[in-house]
Amino acid sequence: QSALTQPRSVSGSPGQSVTISCTGTSSDVGGYNYVSWYQQHPGKAPKLMIYDVSKRPSGVPDRFSGSKSGNTASLTISGLQAEDEADYYCCSYAGSYTLSVVFGGGTKLTVL
Amino acid sequence: QVQLQESGPGLVKPSQTLSLTCTVSGGSISSGSYYWSWIRQPAGKGLEWIGRIYTSGSTNYNPSLKSRVTISVDTSKNQFSLKLSSVTAADTAVYYCARGGETYRFDPWGQGTLVTVSS
Repeated sequence: QSALTQPRSVSGSPGQSVTISCTGTSSDVGGYNYVSWYQQHPGKAPKLMIYDVSKRPSGVPDRFSGSKSGNTASLTISGLQAEDEADYYCCSYAGSYTLSVVFGGGTKLTVL
Repeated sequence: QVQLQESGPGLVKPSQTLSLTCTVSGGSISSGSYYWSWIRQPAGKGLEWIGRIYTSGSTNYNPSLKSRVTISVDTSKNQFSLKLSSVTAADTAVYYCARGGETYRFDPWGQGTLVTVSS
């Protein structure tokens, strides 16, 4: 299994919206609605931001939203704030044969 | 709420076995429909799922690591553990333990522990 493909970096100004893509295959992202997204600040553990493609855990601002089309999932952050600057990772179930999970390579979000 | 904490040696020699334990607090490791996972992150790189265990003892491992990985659980101690054999420098990483949910989401995570493989 290969890692999911994410852009290395994205950026935006405060108040703007940014979208981070996560491309896989029909064996992972495209085959199941089990995509999750994690935010990681430097030196910290990842934090769950989105699960089941588009659901938000309690406490995550509604500025964060997720979607999926075909083999590509997306995380959109609207109304960018300085504290959103972090690394973001997507994750997907990778199939009933291996019962495994695969992560994306990560995207560095810079708030300008 | 549930919290996880990793523990174990921070330095392991090449060819030896890396051993880590994750202690779960704030709730029983056996409650709910959860499983317990290990995930690692080499410095400056992305996350890699290592494997998971249910409290029944059923396990699944990353195919790329399967031959070297063993995950076990001790429900009496509210702990689960990772053993990775025949380590090399490529296994140097921050190792996280995390709780997994029904739809393959991980929440919460431990704070992570750095393991360096070096002689």
